[in-house]
Order: sequence, then C-alpha cells, then structure tokens
Amino acid sequence: DAGVTQSPTHLIKTRGQHVTLRCSPISGHKSVSWYQQVLGQGPQFIFQYYEKEERGRGNFPDRFSARQFPNYSSELNVNALLLGDSALYLCASSLLAGNTGELFFGEGSRLTVL
Amino acid sequence: GESVGLHLPTLSVQEGDNSIINCAYSNSASDYFIWYKQESGKGPQFIIDIRSNMDKRQGQRVTVLLNKTVKHLSLQIAATQPGDSAVYFCAENRGYGQNFVFGPGTRLSVLP
Repeated sequence: DAGVTQSPTHLIKTRGQHVTLRCSPISGHKSVSWYQQVLGQGPQFIFQYYEKEERGRGNFPDRFSARQFPNYSSELNVNALLLGDSALYLCASSLLAGNTGELFFGEGSRLTVL
Repeated sequence: GESVGLHLPTLSVQEGDNSIINCAYSNSASDYFIWYKQESGKGPQFIIDIRSNMDKRQGQRVTVLLNKTVKHLSLQIAATQPGDSAVYFCAENRGYGQNFVFGPGTRLSVLP
C-alpha cells in the first residue's frame, strides 16, 4: 500500500510569491495534519483537517491556509512568501482525529525561498 | 515559554550497546507522548507512544519511560544497530487533536 505522498518534493520560490503544496493520505485515513520543519529543528504544527473541516491550527500567520478535499487529500497554501518560510513541509495522515494512534508522515516538500 | 526539549543534542554509542535518549517537557497537562525517528531525507517515523496513565511501555528493542513527577521522558534502545542512526524526536500532545509539540531532536550515531 502507498504511504503518504507529497508533491512537489522540492521547489524554489522568490519572496512575495505564492506556493501550493499537496498531500495524499494513506487510503482510508481521513485526518491530515501539516507541519513545518525548519532545518535543525523539530516539526511545528500548522493545521489539522478531519472530514474536510479544520480541527486545529498552530501559531502561524494568516498567510498560511489549507483545505481538505472529498477524497481526503489536502493542500497547504502559503501567500506572500518570506525568507523564513524556507523549510521542509510535512504532511501526516491518521485514521482518527484525536490524539490517538500514529501519525504517518510523508517525506515532505522542501521549499526554498530566495 | 513552554517547550519540549532534550538534554543531549548528540549521542554516540557503540554498536551492540544500549542507547538512552532523554527528553524534558514543561506542560504537566500533556497526556500523550510519542517518540519519532527521522532519517536523512525522510519524514519522521513512529517508534513508540505512551499515555500519561502509564510509566513504562515496551516495544521491539525499545522502551519508553515516563516520569511525570519530574516531567521527563526517555527512549531506551537495546542492542543498538547501525540502522538506528538517525535523529530522534519526542513529541507531546496537550490533550486535543494532533497538535503535537516536538522537541529539537537528538542525533544518534552508532559507531562500528
């Protein structure tokens, strides 16, 4: 079975641009979470979606937004990119919405903002 | 501010020895903890979890210990192997959804 898949794997943008990152969860998983991992640090929670509804939001500005589609895939959008947005963006899926069970992470989308 | 941190940023062990990775957390309301392993170029991989109503949980070659009195979490890896070389993160959940707070990580290097 396929794991969590993310695209693109790498991308380069310039300041002020917009980016869309995509995630397909493991088949049957209805919960998708997004994390930002700056080089040398642990992942930081951005959003959680379950059954197409936002279930949680981390301490990120409104430039960050996300949505979940009927097939449970998800997009993370970041507007007006800043240099500090350069990071590995991780998507994780799980069967349940709560703090139970494992989070299955994808390999991430590495964003570089110049 | 509140954070999940680690005592040792790097740890080197001989192959076959046991490894102990430590983690301190500051929020006594946290009720669920997970240890993740992250290899270079990959996403974090679940190792083992523990709830706050337990003080010990064992898996295959791994044991997690939770000391709520001093807000300390540890991961013990028995008979460390070269494939265990990675960065290890502890993560705490403060009671809702999947808003996990990750520590900064410890790099484990296994020496031949």
